[in-house]
Order: sequence, then C-alpha cells, then structure tokens
Amino acid sequence: EVQLVQSGAEVKKSGESLKISCKGSGYRFTSHWIGWVRQMPGKGLEWMGTIYPGDSDTKYSPSFQGQVSISADKSTSTAYLEWSSLKASDTAMYYCARLDKTTADVSEYWGQGTLVTVSS
Amino acid sequence: SSELTQDPAVSVALGQTVRITCQGDSLITYYASWYQQKPGQAPLLVIYGKNNRPSGIPDRFSASSSGDTASLTITGAQAEDEAEYYCKSRDSSGDHLVFGTGTKVTVL
Repeated sequence: EVQLVQSGAEVKKSGESLKISCKGSGYRFTSHWIGWVRQMPGKGLEWMGTIYPGDSDTKYSPSFQGQVSISADKSTSTAYLEWSSLKASDTAMYYCARLDKTTADVSEYWGQGTLVTVSS
Repeated sequence: SSELTQDPAVSVALGQTVRITCQGDSLITYYASWYQQKPGQAPLLVIYGKNNRPSGIPDRFSASSSGDTASLTITGAQAEDEAEYYCKSRDSSGDHLVFGTGTKVTVL
C-alpha cells in the first residue's frame, strides 16, 4: 500500500528556520516525482515544486523559486520542504503528493498535511 | 495568479447533473486532472487523463475536454459530492504544474 506520512504540526516565529518531511512507503521511492502543495487558510491549492528522488532533479514553481528548498533522502525515502527564514505569510497547510510515473502530472497519493503556523 | 480559471461556485439539486469547467491555454496541449477536497481533508484524485477514474471513485464522475477548456461532470450528484473541486495541469510553458482557482460545489 502506497503511503505518504508527513511530519507533525509546527508553531514557529518569524525569522526561524523549518524543515518538514514526507516519508514514502509501499513503492519505489526513487522512481516517482514528489511535489509539495501549499494551502493558505481559506484559500486554494498552490503547486510549489517537485523533486525526483532518483537524481534529486528539482523544479520550483516561479512563485516559490528562492522562497523554499525541496530535497530528498533516498536512504530514508523521505522528501523535505525547508525554509531558512519563515514569514507570517508562510502560515499554511502543506501537503506532499506523489506524481504518476507516466506523465508526472497526476497526484493519486497524498500526505495527510502538515500545518505550519508562523507568528510575528 | 493561476493560469487555470474555474467558476468560484456552482450548486446542483440532489440527483441532478453539474458540470465544472477549467479554462486555460495549456489545456489545448495537456490533460487536466481533477481533485475533490472536503474541509479538513487532503485532496482526493477523482479524474485524470482523457477520462480515467482511480479505483474507488464512482462512475458518476466523468471528464471531457474541448479546446482550452476541461470539464468535470457529476451525473446524479450525491450529498457526499459537496466539496471544493480543483483542476490541475501544466502552465503555459509546460515546465510547471498549476492548480485551477477551485470551484465550490453545493448539493441542494
């Protein structure tokens, strides 16, 4: 059974750093792109970027380029989303999602979400 | 801002049919996938590709496409279909994925 399990909720202050995780199981972790999605309170879904754990090829959506860092550890089948200096506007729910092998467009499997709250 | 535009909200009577549209230039080239999201839950894939449903998704969900517009149709809407629906595809460059603006479906 494919599963993506995300790390728990975080409460941080502006300026702090943070790294949240998404651990994949039940499939070959290195063979599927994994993406990160932001959902700000009461707002829609935003695709942030994707990583291919097999070779760490990473693509950032233009709005998120330079704002976050996406990485993956093949040895632990875990993808990460990282901020070096959080802002209050980073307060959101963050989801990871596995993309299909064929087109790398379709996300059938999702993590449960990690709520990040940043206070100013 | 999203390159895929959806109507903000639609309503449908129980058992009737509703169509949700997603408009964007990239849809001329790429298929959309569709996601259902209920409050407090992660998104759920309901349709992908030309008109494919993952295992467990009822056949009342179907997809179609014409030009720059993709559509999701719910035929015989049920109370449990009340949710936010998002399309997803590539942006106009083809390099990045992008979600539509979302449509809130209310079942009356």
